[in-house]
Amino acid sequence: EPEVTQTPSHQVTQMGQEVILRCVPISNHLYFYWYRQILGQKVEFLVSFYNNEISEKSEIFDDQFSVERPDGSNFTLKIRSTKLEDSAMYFCASSLSRVSNEQYFGPGTRLTVT
Amino acid sequence: TQLLEQSPQFLSIQEGENLTVYCNSSSVFSSLQWYRQEPGEGPVLLVTVVTGGEVKKLKRLTFQFGDARKDSSLHITAAQPGDTGLYLCAGFPQGAQKLVFGQGTRLTINP
Repeated sequence: EPEVTQTPSHQVTQMGQEVILRCVPISNHLYFYWYRQILGQKVEFLVSFYNNEISEKSEIFDDQFSVERPDGSNFTLKIRSTKLEDSAMYFCASSLSRVSNEQYFGPGTRLTVT
Repeated sequence: TQLLEQSPQFLSIQEGENLTVYCNSSSVFSSLQWYRQEPGEGPVLLVTVVTGGEVKKLKRLTFQFGDARKDSSLHITAAQPGDTGLYLCAGFPQGAQKLVFGQGTRLTINP
């Protein structure tokens, strides 16, 4: 069964460093998303991406964040200068269409900022 | 801001009992999804409900979308220890592509 994959599973970085989280969405999906979940809190939407551009973003997704689809398979989230409060699980998701609205999530990357 | 409130937040029952988890909002959602999440893993999609009043069954799990598309419920019949986990409801506010999540219901089924 096709699935969303994410690498790395765990990333430890120092405050102020740049990190890139990688995702491979399901191959025929067209819509891509990033969510995050701070320990013990709700899953929160960060950004949606379609046709090589951001279609929607939350207040959390400020200038420190960027997304890219550098090739036909990868979808990346970059945090330019990490802060302690960026420590969270980051989930990538993809969906086939906007109409179906069924988003499939990857296993997540645990980001720890020290 | 569209919010989804789940209740109860924690539920611990004996094997064989029935239970219902609720997901409520004051906002209308174009669809609602239920996910199950294991510790350290991503949410796994269980079901999507789209039409007001829609009922979907997945073995012993019954999902219902409220008539006004503001609420949903998950009913489990004859719960089993394998049903233990975190259940999340999530919805698409009308016109949006982002999923808004509830805080989850942590379910424990005791043998």
